[in-house]
Amino acid sequence: AQRVTQPEKLLSVFKGAPVELKCNYSYSGSPELFWYVQYSRQRLQLLLRHISRESIKGFTADLNKGETSFHLKKPFAQEEDSAMYYCALSGFQAAGNKLTFGGGTRVLVKP
Amino acid sequence: NAGVMQNPRHLVRRRGQEARLRCSPMKGHSHVYWYRQLPEEGLKFMVYLQKENIIDESGMPKERFSAEFPKEGPSILRIQQVVRGDSAAYFCASSLGQGGNTEAFFGQGTRLTVV
Repeated sequence: AQRVTQPEKLLSVFKGAPVELKCNYSYSGSPELFWYVQYSRQRLQLLLRHISRESIKGFTADLNKGETSFHLKKPFAQEEDSAMYYCALSGFQAAGNKLTFGGGTRVLVKP
Repeated sequence: NAGVMQNPRHLVRRRGQEARLRCSPMKGHSHVYWYRQLPEEGLKFMVYLQKENIIDESGMPKERFSAEFPKEGPSILRIQQVVRGDSAAYFCASSLGQGGNTEAFFGQGTRLTVV
């Protein structure tokens, strides 16, 4: 069975401080990992995926297969980063883009 | 492209009534996914459909819930004889193809309240 765990429900940081959102997963095969973000009153949207190895809005995430983690990091948080963040896993099976989500972490960036 | 459209945005039903939630995928997308989000929880997969076919319904409750994606028209998630525990946000996503390298785009969700 596949599972995604986000241990922090709320992260509160000051503007300019680093922020790290933790994500751990369990999956027996080779997973695809994603971070989705939901800004206030907007739809869920893809932030980044591990296979593209890119930095979006200053965020990066590295897949660590040894620790089964995919933590999201940003060195200098901005107020506009305040949002809900969801880590998700796709098993890349015949069932297409079926995603398993973590419980989400709310990030609040204070001025 | 207007994106994934879900309607209604908010739906109130009395216990025992039926709820019908609609999802129009992005233009050209033939893969649709439904997710449910209970209060204070993450999104949980319910069902994956392609045109006229249910591919994976492993997340659907065994009773009262059904989904379809007809050749023409939106995908429908139908909940019969709703109960208070069905109150949740229901999200639809669509993708162009399958596999982790194909992005899934989400609708804004339908918030169902059962009174």
